[in-house]
Order: sequence, then C-alpha cells, then structure tokens
Amino acid sequence: ILNVEQSPQSLHVQEGDSTNFTCSFPSSNFYALHWYRWETAKSPEALFVMTLNGDEKKKGRISATLNTKEGYSYLYIKGSQPEDSATYLCAPQTQGAQKLVFGQGTRLTINP
Amino acid sequence: GAGVSQSPSNKVTEKGKDVELRCDPISGHTALYWYRQSLGQGLEFLIYFQGNSAPDKSGLPSDRFSAERTGGSVSTLTIQRTQQEDSAVYLCASSFRQGNQPQHFGDGTRLSIL
Repeated sequence: ILNVEQSPQSLHVQEGDSTNFTCSFPSSNFYALHWYRWETAKSPEALFVMTLNGDEKKKGRISATLNTKEGYSYLYIKGSQPEDSATYLCAPQTQGAQKLVFGQGTRLTINP
Repeated sequence: GAGVSQSPSNKVTEKGKDVELRCDPISGHTALYWYRQSLGQGLEFLIYFQGNSAPDKSGLPSDRFSAERTGGSVSTLTIQRTQQEDSAVYLCASSFRQGNQPQHFGDGTRLSIL
C-alpha cells in the first residue's frame, strides 16, 4: 500500500498572506505526482501533473515543486484569496499503474 | 456536455437493494476511473478502464461491486445487496489516454444506504 502523507491537515490563512504545504510519498517506482484542488460541492480540479525531479510548475498564484529522490512535493499559494479555500490533494502515480493514490488532503481556509 | 457527467447526483436506498451508478466521460477520453470517498476517508481507487476493458480492478472492495464500460464511453458501477458501509460519494474521472495525464472528475454520486 502506497503511503501518502499531506501536512498540515488543515490551515487557516489571512487573505493576502502566502502559504505552502507538503506532500510526502514513497520515492521508489515513481512515475508522476498529481495535485488537485477540491472545493466544497464541486468536483476535484486538476492543478498539476509533475514528472521530473526538480520540476516546478506554476498556474497563476499557485506553484508546486517536486523532489522525486526524497519523495516530496510542495504546493505554494502566493497572496491567498478567499476563492483559494479548498482541500488540496496530492496523488502519486507509480510506474505501470494508472490509478492515483490520494493523500488525505490539506484543508485550506482563507480568512477575509 | 464538456465535462464528466454522473447520475444520479444523489441516491438513497435501503440496505440489501442493488444500485447502479452511471458515468459519461469527456468525449474522446479513452481512460475512465472510478473512485469513492467514504465519510472521514480519503479518495479511494476502485477500478480503471482503458477502452472497454478493465486492466485494474484492484480497488473493488468485494464481489458485490462490478463495473462495465460500453462503446468506449459510458460506464456503470453496480453495487449488489448494498450494505451501510457502501455509503460514500462515488466519483468518476476520465483522461485523454493512459499515462501521466490529468484525470478530470465528475461531480459524483452521493450514495446513502439506510
């Protein structure tokens, strides 16, 4: 069973502040790391698919980095806005597998 | 429609009944996935289809669960003799092809077993 850990479990941030959180996963048989944003009453939305060690991806104010050798990824949000409130999920994908194994997520709440 | 469509959006049924959940993937997407989220749990993989075949059924929790996909498009997940522990949100996703592709999710079916 793939052990995926996300920390912290929940986070409250003031509007305008920047924040980051972590996803840890086994480094063996690594193929890809997926990040999703899941807002209440909506469907999970794909943010990034990362494959290369040292990869950095950016989408607006959100960016992510990847370290496949040590098995972790960071997600950064710059200048948080209320619409960033959501649960952020990471999911590693191993070689030869199509399924994603999701972490429990980081629930982010932005306080106006 | 442009996205993954699931029906029904909510289903309440009595223990012991059979239920059928439907997923209509994004047109042209060859890969289709079913996941579920039980209360207090993370998203859990159930089954993956490539075309009409299911190379990975490893997440189906028991033989009461089955799924099929026809015409490389619509998929149905069937749960027979439902139990209370089957209560969950069942999510379907599709991707353009297999590999490291983003999976696009539907809104899910919330299943409640009384």
